Amino acid sequence: ETGVTQTPRHLVMGMTNKKSLKCEQHLGHNAMYWYKQSAKKPLELMFVYNFKEQTENNSVPSRFSPECPNSSHLFLHLHTLQPEDSALYLCASSQGSFNEQFFGPGTRLTVL
Amino acid sequence: DAKTTQPNSMESNEEEPVHLPCNHSTISGTDYIHWYRQLPSQGPEYVIHGLTSNVNNRMASLAIAEDRKSSTLILHRATLRDAAVYYCILRALYGGSQGNLIFGKGTKLSVKP
Repeated sequence: ETGVTQTPRHLVMGMTNKKSLKCEQHLGHNAMYWYKQSAKKPLELMFVYNFKEQTENNSVPSRFSPECPNSSHLFLHLHTLQPEDSALYLCASSQGSFNEQFFGPGTRLTVL
Repeated sequence: DAKTTQPNSMESNEEEPVHLPCNHSTISGTDYIHWYRQLPSQGPEYVIHGLTSNVNNRMASLAIAEDRKSSTLILHRATLRDAAVYYCILRALYGGSQGNLIFGKGTKLSVKP
């Protein structure tokens, strides 16, 4: 595997389910990010991790819970989501917080 | 955060040059100008960035106005694979949103064969 991978690529869940999105980067980077891309809205930055420490939470509801166990892996734990949370969730990584970000292909989430 | 203004959409013919404009009249002296693009069904990818001088790389060129209030991304020969949404982003070197990519709506580029 190369670059940034995300699993699953598609996810359908009910509002009472708990699920997790996984992101893995194979680039040796030390910063990782979660973004949300809703239909007809720009990409929104959700969380930033530097050296496994969360450095930014962009006012994201607590039903989204990130976890960064090491510099290569990033998770987004989901619980009691709403239909309006349906979106493409993108993970990215970079070497340092100011260098080029590499994005994964995203997870298309549908909340019923 | 300093904002950018881009046309919603542009069209180009294959193998012709494309000039994608971006206005950023409130840019600060330490804001870098970054361009990313997002091909259909993919995550965004980095294209190019600059501060004051024009920049070239294998993908594109970036022309920055002398007053830095506007810039133009130049694709020298558009291909069908260049059809994407192009985002012009000001990236702050300092401040609360330091380093963050703040995406706008971008310009959707269509390339006709």
